[in-house]
Amino acid sequence: GAVVSQHPSWVICKSGTSVKIECRSLDFQATTMFWYRQFPKQSLMLMATSNEGSKATYEQGVEKDKFLINHASLTLSTLTVTSAHPEDSSFYICSPGGSGGVAYNEQFFGPGTRLTVL
Amino acid sequence: AQKVTQAQTEISVVEKEDVTLDCVYETRDTTYYLFWYKQPPSGELVFLIRRNSFDEQNEISGRYSWNFQKSTSSFNFTITASQVVDSAVYFCARSGSARQLTFGSGTQLTVLP
Repeated sequence: GAVVSQHPSWVICKSGTSVKIECRSLDFQATTMFWYRQFPKQSLMLMATSNEGSKATYEQGVEKDKFLINHASLTLSTLTVTSAHPEDSSFYICSPGGSGGVAYNEQFFGPGTRLTVL
Repeated sequence: AQKVTQAQTEISVVEKEDVTLDCVYETRDTTYYLFWYKQPPSGELVFLIRRNSFDEQNEISGRYSWNFQKSTSSFNFTITASQVVDSAVYFCARSGSARQLTFGSGTQLTVLP
C-alpha cells in the first residue's frame, strides 16, 4: 500500500506564528490530497482537498486564507497554518487520493502532525 | 450531509469478552465504500477493512468480523475474545463518488485485564 509521511510529527509554537506541515506520498502519485483535522476527543473532519497543480477546495467553515495548501507535485502537499492561535491546536492528517478508481488508496493516511499553539 | 453514526461513545469490556461496535450510515450514492479504522493513543490511523456497497458478504479476519446489512444501512464490527491491546478508538467511515471519507464520531473501547 501507499506509504505516506508527514513532517513534523509534532510542533509547539507561539500564537501568531505560522506553521508548515508537509505530507509526502512516498511510493504513489497523489493527484489529490485530503487534509483532515481532529480536535481532542473528536472525530476526523475533512478540511480541504488539494489537487496537483490547481487550487484547493475548502470545506464549509474552513478559512482558506488561514490554512494555505500547496500541492505542487504528485508526491508533496503542504498545509500552512498562518497566524496560528490556540484554537488551531489539533491533530492534522493527510490522505492521498489517486487517479484510479473511487476508493483507490483512500484508505491510507499519514501518521499525523500534532500542533499545539501556546 | 450524509452522516455516519456511531452511537456508542465508550465501551468497556473485560478481557476475553466479545464486543460489537455499531455503525449506521446515510448515503445517496449507489456505489460507496465503508471502512473501519483503529486509532491507538499514538494517533496514527490503522486501516482494518474496506467494503464496497455491492458486497454484502460478511468478512472474518482472525478475531475481527464485520456484518454489513444494506437493508438497515449498518456495518457493525465485532471483536471476539478481546485483548487489552484492542483498547483504542475505533472509527467507522464511508466514501462515495467524491472519494473523501466521512467519519463517525468514534467509539472508545477499553479492554480491562
